Amino acid sequence: GQQVMQIPQYQHVQEGEDFTTYCNSSTTLSNIQWYKQRPGGHPVFLIQLVKSGEVKKQKRLTFQFGEAKKNSSLHITATQTTDVGTYFCAGNNNDMRFGAGTRLTVKP
Amino acid sequence: DVKVTQSSRYLVKRTGEKVFLECVQDMDHENMFWYRQDPGLGLRLIYFSYDVKMKEKGDIPEGYSVSREKKERFSLILESASTNQTSMYLCASGRRGLLYEQYFGPGTRLTVT
Repeated sequence: GQQVMQIPQYQHVQEGEDFTTYCNSSTTLSNIQWYKQRPGGHPVFLIQLVKSGEVKKQKRLTFQFGEAKKNSSLHITATQTTDVGTYFCAGNNNDMRFGAGTRLTVKP
Repeated sequence: DVKVTQSSRYLVKRTGEKVFLECVQDMDHENMFWYRQDPGLGLRLIYFSYDVKMKEKGDIPEGYSVSREKKERFSLILESASTNQTSMYLCASGRRGLLYEQYFGPGTRLTVT
């Protein structure tokens, strides 16, 4: 069945450093979604990418969807302590499957 | 504002007990989902439902069943709880179709002793 691999599993950065998490699918996706889960909270939808090669920005967050629609990335510029949490990608191909998530910690 | 509620935040059950986890959404969503979340494994889909009385197995349905008698309510049932079912259980809902996001409940932390 469809699998979505996400790396790295953990990332610890100094405040102000950049952060990137990557998702790769074993199959071509119709779209990909990104979610953020704060410590002790539940996943909250951030954004959806649909088109091949699509790039979307939300303030310091940049989301990309690969040309082949099999991979995606989330890049955070100049991390802040409020960015702490686990970031999940979720790939859609008839059914949606979540990656394992990347847990980001930020040292002030 | 979409609201997804789950019956308990924390639950402790004994091995062999039958466990019911309830989820209710207030946005008339067609789709509802049950996931379990374990460290390093992310969100794994147990079951989902795209309509009343309809259910589909996810990736890890063994040891679980579900019930959806009303559109707003989706129940997860552990027929005979085991210690390896100790986990965080998350319910989610969303509109029918691939292009809609999921809204998650606060989760139920289940401990089976």
